[in-house]
Amino acid sequence: QQQVKQSPQSLIVQKGGISIINCAYENTAFDYFPWYQQFPGKGPALLIAIRPDVSEKKEGRFTISFNKSAKQFSLHIMDSQPGDSATYFCAARLNSGYALNFGKGTSLLVTP
Amino acid sequence: KAGVTQTPRYLIKTRGQQVTLSCSPISGHRSVSWYQQTPGQGLQFLFEYFSETQRNKGNFPGRFSGRQFSNSRSEMNVSTLELGDSALYLCASSLTMNTEAFFGQGTRLTVV
Repeated sequence: QQQVKQSPQSLIVQKGGISIINCAYENTAFDYFPWYQQFPGKGPALLIAIRPDVSEKKEGRFTISFNKSAKQFSLHIMDSQPGDSATYFCAARLNSGYALNFGKGTSLLVTP
Repeated sequence: KAGVTQTPRYLIKTRGQQVTLSCSPISGHRSVSWYQQTPGQGLQFLFEYFSETQRNKGNFPGRFSGRQFSNSRSEMNVSTLELGDSALYLCASSLTMNTEAFFGQGTRLTVV
């Protein structure tokens, strides 16, 4: 059973545009929500993470928006660049453990 | 600081054989988790270790097992390999509970 639902499955954005990826979860006991970026042949790399006590976190061109009441969170990539073309995964974790529950991933292509 | 190191990077095995994969966490990290990544199922949690003890286990058959040594290095073992075990196996290390997880590049296992 997929505990974290991610959309869209794939996304094409023009250079300079905003890429938006959405995730939804059911378990209200989740309290840590990271985003990972994965390039072909590489392991996932931690991009940015948020906890439910804040509604937004920004690091450079990457922003997480978090809506606790709707049980949704999203990743915004501002001024998207061709080098951002990768697969992005959202995840959620319980406070009591280490196991990350991943979304199915979004394949992002940023065109020149 | 060296990242998470997984060996070997690639492995080809025959159905029915067994395989052992190795993971060296980031220096100072005491937690190691393992994940299986496939195109169909995405990233799925296998198990996690902290201070040589298995703390949590995902929904995988008993053919999948692991252990952690006193230096925090971890191994996972898959016995009686099946074609469906072909996947990228990823190891993640964390400093301790509820901290960021950093992934290695993975071991690509192909079962023929």
